[in-house]
Amino acid sequence: NAGVTQTPKFHILKIGQSMTLQCTQDMNHNYMYWYRQDPGMGLKLIYYSVGAGITDKGEVPNGYNVSRSTTEDFPLRLELAAPSQTSVYFCASSYPSSTDTQYFGPGTRLTVL
Amino acid sequence: KNEVEQSPQNLTAQEGEFITINCSYSVGISALHWLQQHPGGGIVSLFMLSSGKKKHGRLIATINIQEKHSSLHITASHPRDSAVYICASGGTSYGKLTFGQGTILTVHP
Repeated sequence: NAGVTQTPKFHILKIGQSMTLQCTQDMNHNYMYWYRQDPGMGLKLIYYSVGAGITDKGEVPNGYNVSRSTTEDFPLRLELAAPSQTSVYFCASSYPSSTDTQYFGPGTRLTVL
Repeated sequence: KNEVEQSPQNLTAQEGEFITINCSYSVGISALHWLQQHPGGGIVSLFMLSSGKKKHGRLIATINIQEKHSSLHITASHPRDSAVYICASGGTSYGKLTFGQGTILTVHP
């Protein structure tokens, strides 16, 4: 199993541009999550999904959108990128349990200039 | 709102030392996670515990539910243990986690 994969690994975006961060898992997990990690701060939940077609906002959803058309894929869309969205983005997945282990992707380092 | 605090924020040790990282949370939970993040970014889960103690190799995690406190211990530390250690409280709806800010551990040979 590849686990959780994310693309791209690195990207530089100009202010006002849009892009999609890709996340795919091959473990048949129902639950998927998007986090951002800023220096010196804990991971913050952006959006999460409990299954195909079901998504909900996390702690810091502004400026982002998600979709979940399949169990495997959970893309994160940045609209009108701003410097405040410079961060490392992690996707994670888990079985549908409130206490199960989350499996993380390798992360995408995004810079908005 | 649940808050998770870790201490210390930075920790430097010599190889072989016994290391303790602490984690406190403000709201009762049903699961506490410890994760490890190596330079380069990858995050892996070390432990998930809801009571008592768990051990994996040189790593030991404990939790005191009444005191809302957990500790991660590393025995006989090694330079390869150098990483960021993150605790996260869980057990809320849909597995959502609240993360501490992380402890940066550096072990010198």
